[in-house]
Amino acid sequence: EAEVAQSPRYKITEKSQAVAFWCDPISGHATLYWYRQILGQGPELLVQFQDESVVDDSQLPKDRFSAERLKGVDSTLKIQPAELGDSAMYLCASSFWGDSTDTQYFGPGTRLTVL
Amino acid sequence: ELKVEQNPLFLSMQEGKNYTIYCNYSTTSDRLYWYRQDPGKSLESLFVLLSNGAVKQEGRLMASLDTKARLSTLHITAAVHDLSATYFCAVGNSNSGYALNFGKGTSLLVTP
Repeated sequence: EAEVAQSPRYKITEKSQAVAFWCDPISGHATLYWYRQILGQGPELLVQFQDESVVDDSQLPKDRFSAERLKGVDSTLKIQPAELGDSAMYLCASSFWGDSTDTQYFGPGTRLTVL
Repeated sequence: ELKVEQNPLFLSMQEGKNYTIYCNYSTTSDRLYWYRQDPGKSLESLFVLLSNGAVKQEGRLMASLDTKARLSTLHITAAVHDLSATYFCAVGNSNSGYALNFGKGTSLLVTP
């Protein structure tokens, strides 16, 4: 069964350092989402792509976060510089554009700890 | 702003018992999702509800949707330990590209 791939699975960094997360969606899925999940909370959308275009990045802290999906397939989320409050699980999800249910399939996530 | 509220947030129940988790949302939406998350793991899709009155069942879990009341329920029948997990409801809206707005989750513990 096809899955959303993410790496790394765990990342520990010191504040003010740069970190990057990678996501490879399910083949054929045009829509890709990055969510952030703080411990004990539900995921919150950071950015949504349709192919290589950004659909919604209104909740992305653009002073330190950036996201790209250059060829409309895999995607990278970057944080520079990392702050203590960025410690969270970063989840990537994808969905098939045109699927009547628009079900989003989530990857295993990257757990970030900022020291 | 679309808000999604779940209750209860924590639920401890005995094996064999029945219980219902409630999910209320604040504005009109055309689809509602239920996900399961095990500790330290990602989210697994359980149900997608697309219309008023929709009911879906899988094993001991049954989800329903009342769009007029902006309410979805997840009913657990004869709970077993394997159902212990956190359950999230999420609402999607075509106006926002179907990005999901999640509730805070219901942490379920099923005890012998």
